[in-house]
Formats: sequence, C-alpha cells, structure tokens
Amino acid sequence: DVVMTQTPLSLSVTPGQPASISCKSSQSLLHSDGRTYLYWYLQKPGQSPQVLIYEVSSRFSGVPDRFSGSGSGTDFTLKISRVEAEDVGVYYCMQGLHLFTFGQGTRLEIK
Amino acid sequence: QITLKESGPTLVKPTQTLTLTCAFSGFSLSTSGMSVGWIRQPPGKALEWLALIYWNDDKRYSPSLKSRLTITKDTSKNQVVLTMTNVDPVDTATYYCAHRNILSVTCFDYWGQGTLVTVSS
Repeated sequence: DVVMTQTPLSLSVTPGQPASISCKSSQSLLHSDGRTYLYWYLQKPGQSPQVLIYEVSSRFSGVPDRFSGSGSGTDFTLKISRVEAEDVGVYYCMQGLHLFTFGQGTRLEIK
Repeated sequence: QITLKESGPTLVKPTQTLTLTCAFSGFSLSTSGMSVGWIRQPPGKALEWLALIYWNDDKRYSPSLKSRLTITKDTSKNQVVLTMTNVDPVDTATYYCAHRNILSVTCFDYWGQGTLVTVSS
C-alpha cells in the first residue's frame, strides 16, 4: 500500500503570511502517461472536502491563485502565499496512481 | 452542474450489512471516463478511500476492506450503491460519494454532503 505522509500536522498562521505543507509518498506517483497523480484537498469545518490542486500543480476551477502546488516523484508541497481567514480547515494530499490514499491531514488555524 | 447525494441508515447494528446509495446528476455513468467513488471519515479522523466504479463497470476496492465491500451502479437511475458486510463500531463514519473523470482533471472533483453512519448495538 502507498503511504502518504504530511508535515506538519498542524499550522498556526497570521493572516497575510505564507504557509507550506509537505506531502511525501512511499512510491513514485509518476505514471507512464507522463501525469503525476497527486492532489490537494481542503476540508473546511463542517464541509465536504474540496479539491484545490490536481496533478501536482494545476489549480482547480475557482481556486484562488494564492494556492500553488509543486513537486515530483515522491515529494510534494502545497503553498499558500498569503493566508486568509477563509483558508482555515484541514488540508489533505491524496495519491491516485496506486488506487487512492490520503495523507493524515494538516490542520491550519489562524493566529 | 454535477451534484451527488448520499443516503442510507444512520444507525446500524454490529455484524449487519450497511447499504448506502449515491444519487447523482449532471453526468452519466455510461459516458466514457466517468467514475464514482466512496470515501469515508471517522469522527475527527482522516479521509479513507473505499471503492470506485467506472463507466465500463470496472471496479476497484481498498485492499484492507475488499472482502467486505461491493460497489454497483444503476445507470438508468443515476445511482451507485455501496454495501459493506459485517459492520463494526470502527466503521462509524461519515460516508461520502464523489465524481471522478479520468479523461479530465482525474481527481475526485465533486463530492456529496456525506452521510453519518453510526454502528452501535
């Protein structure tokens, strides 16, 4: 089974400051078709998860450009350039190459 | 506009079989590339993928739960059904269904609101 490891597990960020979350996969997520099947989700309090980033670095429709994804192979990063109050929630990475696996989640709170 | 909605019992006794239905609109599960998955989340815990069914009736299951899960689709009704046998209190969770199009963004892009299932005697 593929294991997804996120760090840190919690973040406390002042509004306007950047934030970064790391996600490491136990196996490469690069497919022979050239795509890398790594995604980022945000689950706001009391809501269903919503996709932010698909295939490492593509922002989903409607996602603000302060969110960006990067990485390759087994190491990935989600960055928020300037955190806003509405960004509070739990962030999950998910791999979709070897069936599907989510990370443990990273809780972001506002200072 | 794609929407999904989960339904099923809120309380199930241990050892019973749980049946959940995902009713969707805005796409057809007979269209190439389309799929619907089930994901669950125990209270206060992380997301866990359970199963996925494709437009061509291909199915995938979580290895740890494969022996207990069955996913089926009714294309005419726009529904996907997940059954889980021999439930246990550890299966208490919010169960979500979600849309995925492997010919597009490839992620679970649209999710239902989730349905909370409690397993207790």
